[in-house]
Amino acid sequence: GAVVSQHPSRVICKSGTSVKIECRSLDFQATTMFWYRQFPKQSLMLMATSNEGSKATYEQGVEKDKFLINHASLTLSTLTVTSAHPEDSSFYICSARVLGFGGYTFGSGTRLTVV
Amino acid sequence: TQLLEQSPQFLSIQEGENLTVYCNSSSVFSSLQWYRQEPGEGPVLLVTVVTGGEVKKLKRLTFQFGDARKDSSLHITAAQPGDTGLYLCQGGSEKLVFGKGMKLTVNP
Repeated sequence: GAVVSQHPSRVICKSGTSVKIECRSLDFQATTMFWYRQFPKQSLMLMATSNEGSKATYEQGVEKDKFLINHASLTLSTLTVTSAHPEDSSFYICSARVLGFGGYTFGSGTRLTVV
Repeated sequence: TQLLEQSPQFLSIQEGENLTVYCNSSSVFSSLQWYRQEPGEGPVLLVTVVTGGEVKKLKRLTFQFGDARKDSSLHITAAQPGDTGLYLCQGGSEKLVFGKGMKLTVNP
């Protein structure tokens, strides 16, 4: 139980285009999802917290207009990287807290490469 | 701001050796999680510790939460190549904080 499905797992896009990453909670409802970014050999950096039915909360230094987050239902949160640039290339991971689980369950991540 | 310091950050050992990784903070955490992450995958939860002084065992892995709930350790006995990965500690309640991780390589 407590699975978060993240898609796509890998995406290559051209500079200037937008990419949407989806995270779905498969067997539970997630009122809150967390979006992280991870550079090679580094830890996870929290980008934003998405809340179902309301605006996302962004961490300091994360551009709201560049990283659009939508949490329209209790089972789906999306992150759209707009006007992507090579420096946006990274590993993006979502997670959700499951009541009674004792921790957070993570998606399998999306490797974004902007060329 | 709550910070979690992990040490060591890198460790390369031979199969069969024991190791301990530490997660320290100046802040008190209501709970602390340990995860293992393999390349290209999301972190997978290993354990959650909640009570000061708590010790949890998961096969060859032993987790301890400090009495003051400011630090934690993970001890692996007789490491195997399958233990290779990035070990992350996480704490916080309203604001989630991750340590920088400990990259473990176990050589056969």
